[in-house]
Amino acid sequence: DGGITQSPKYLFRKEGQNVTLSCEQNLNHDAMYWYRQDPGQGLRLIYYSQIVNDFQKGDIAEGYSVSREKKESFPLTVTSAQKNPTAFYLCASSMGTIHEQFFGPGTRLTVL
Amino acid sequence: QKEVEQDPGPLSVPEGAIVSLNCTYSNSAFQYFMWYRQYSRKGPELLMYTYSSGNKEDGRFTAQVDKSSKYISLFIRDSQPSDSATYLCAFWGGSQGNLIFGKGTKLSVKP
Repeated sequence: DGGITQSPKYLFRKEGQNVTLSCEQNLNHDAMYWYRQDPGQGLRLIYYSQIVNDFQKGDIAEGYSVSREKKESFPLTVTSAQKNPTAFYLCASSMGTIHEQFFGPGTRLTVL
Repeated sequence: QKEVEQDPGPLSVPEGAIVSLNCTYSNSAFQYFMWYRQYSRKGPELLMYTYSSGNKEDGRFTAQVDKSSKYISLFIRDSQPSDSATYLCAFWGGSQGNLIFGKGTKLSVKP
């Protein structure tokens, strides 16, 4: 089955620690995205990548970092510089058409 | 003026009702109009997208776009308890920029 997987589903982190969220897709999509969703809020774009070894900042990139070494993978690191990291993180991918994005199941990050 | 406005609800309807979900927007450059459905603690899934003004139908779902009024709607006919979810509208300019999402409307369909 083709799709997007995110792991882990739930993640707990102590303040001051970096943490990396995994996103893998086997849809052969070129573009991948990371969003953050807070309660009662729409999705906000953190980073996106249209091709391997290239990525751009979204609207709220501060305190986050990404890499795109493989077409299938787009991990997100939440650094200790992110002031309010507790949120639901969603990874998405698309085949060149930005409006047809397919989302993974999400990772819920809680900072203790 | 916010770029996208969407009533968060919650909206509660009885099974079989017709549901109307709406978003307004201010950016005239938007060309693609999307509706995503998100079940609790899951990722959103694309329901429908439209490119132009008018209606687009898919089963029990109808997406309507009125560019002159900067208003989009999603209608659900014969609503089912399985339609209970949060519905997100989304917009894209077509050539640049990224998707802009509404905050979502939480819908509950009671049996």
